[in-house]
Amino acid sequence: GDSVTQMEGPVTLSEEAFLTINCTYTATGYPSLFWYVQYPGEGLQLLLKATKADDKGSNKGFEATYRKETTSFHLEKGSVQVSDSAVYFCALRLYSSASKIIFGSGTRLSIRP
Amino acid sequence: NAGVTQTPKFQVLKTGQSMTLQCAQDMNHNSMYWYRQDPGMGLRLIYYSASEGTTDKGEVPNGYNVSRLNKREFSLRLESAAPSQTSVYFCASTVVGEGDGYTFGSGTRLTVV
Repeated sequence: GDSVTQMEGPVTLSEEAFLTINCTYTATGYPSLFWYVQYPGEGLQLLLKATKADDKGSNKGFEATYRKETTSFHLEKGSVQVSDSAVYFCALRLYSSASKIIFGSGTRLSIRP
Repeated sequence: NAGVTQTPKFQVLKTGQSMTLQCAQDMNHNSMYWYRQDPGMGLRLIYYSASEGTTDKGEVPNGYNVSRLNKREFSLRLESAAPSQTSVYFCASTVVGEGDGYTFGSGTRLTVV
């Protein structure tokens, strides 16, 4: 079935370090791909998205490129800040009348000052 | 501000008690969803409503019922709460269209003792 696999955390980095969180997916069709972020005590917020192969989503310094050949959507940021500490979820959505989104298990990111 | 509103934010129940979690959105979205979030398990879909007047089971529907009261409101009911239902519950909504993500509520933290 359709699924999302992302790297397990927690991930701990120093401020200004380079970030990569890996995400791969399995899908029967051509999904849209998303990264969501959840700050402590809050709901999930859409961070970025890509709707077709080779699209690059970007927001707040984060980027991810839709790679159909490797079925991947890795999240990257060149220089992380303490305020980026959160849980990050990779997700996919297949077009259907129900439009369900399937989430990965989440990766907790902690940034040290 | 437009968005998804969930009530209550916190709730403690005794085993066997019933309660209804409320969710309302004011973005004219067609589809609404209920998820539960447990540590290390990401988000799991309980029930969803693709459009007003329809509801369907998700991944973990046992012990829950839902009502799509109108286009704006989608409630989740626990008829006889069990400790295994201790979790954080999120409501989300979206328009039908593969490029769009969900908008999430801020969550209800439920503890069943």
